[in-house]
Amino acid sequence: AQTVTQSQPEMSVQEAETVTLSCTYDTSESDYYLFWYKQPPSRQMILVIRQEAYKQQNATENRFSVNFQKAAKSFSLKISDSQLGDAAMYFCAYSTGTASKLTFGTGTRLQVTL
Amino acid sequence: GAVVSQHPSRVICKSGTSVKIECRSLDFQATTMFWYRQFPKKSLMLMATSNEGSKATYEQGVEKDKFLINHASLTLSTLTVTSAHPEDSSFYICSARDLRLAGAYNEQFFGPGTRLTVL
Repeated sequence: AQTVTQSQPEMSVQEAETVTLSCTYDTSESDYYLFWYKQPPSRQMILVIRQEAYKQQNATENRFSVNFQKAAKSFSLKISDSQLGDAAMYFCAYSTGTASKLTFGTGTRLQVTL
Repeated sequence: GAVVSQHPSRVICKSGTSVKIECRSLDFQATTMFWYRQFPKKSLMLMATSNEGSKATYEQGVEKDKFLINHASLTLSTLTVTSAHPEDSSFYICSARDLRLAGAYNEQFFGPGTRLTVL
């Protein structure tokens, strides 16, 4: 079974600084997708960024980028120029194929301080 | 686009009663819908996957007779918690996906969730 591990229950970053959230996963599949979701206090899940395993290039979305290390099964999220609105729970997630379910990690609570 | 709604957003019920939660895709047709449960400060746990017109596929450990899922149309799925008990109190989230969308990248669109409290 696929598992997703987030080893940092909580992280803190100062406004305008950079923070990296860690995620590792375990799978025997060669084709899969990885995601980072944000869950603010409203509890609405928001897709931050996604990565297709077959792509070597790391995905980037504005201030958010990933470091995808397929051999190490590592998928970290870097948030640059952190903003107060970035404070939330962040979940790493894994999925195989186009019709498969999402497996979530345990989450990392990010605090952003002034 | 790709908006998913849930109703109600909050519900309080007495122990032993049944509660129905609706999940609607507002601007797309959802061939597949997922139901998750989230305990406070915990991750999302998948309960079941439902495909339109088919029976739901439940995850191991989820009671089919307790959590009834219906996906009768391409825009609506319902989760009914039957004979609810206090331990069923939780945050329930649905998501939806249209497999027919080109370039969908396997993306699920999430509803805002429903907080269920069983007294």
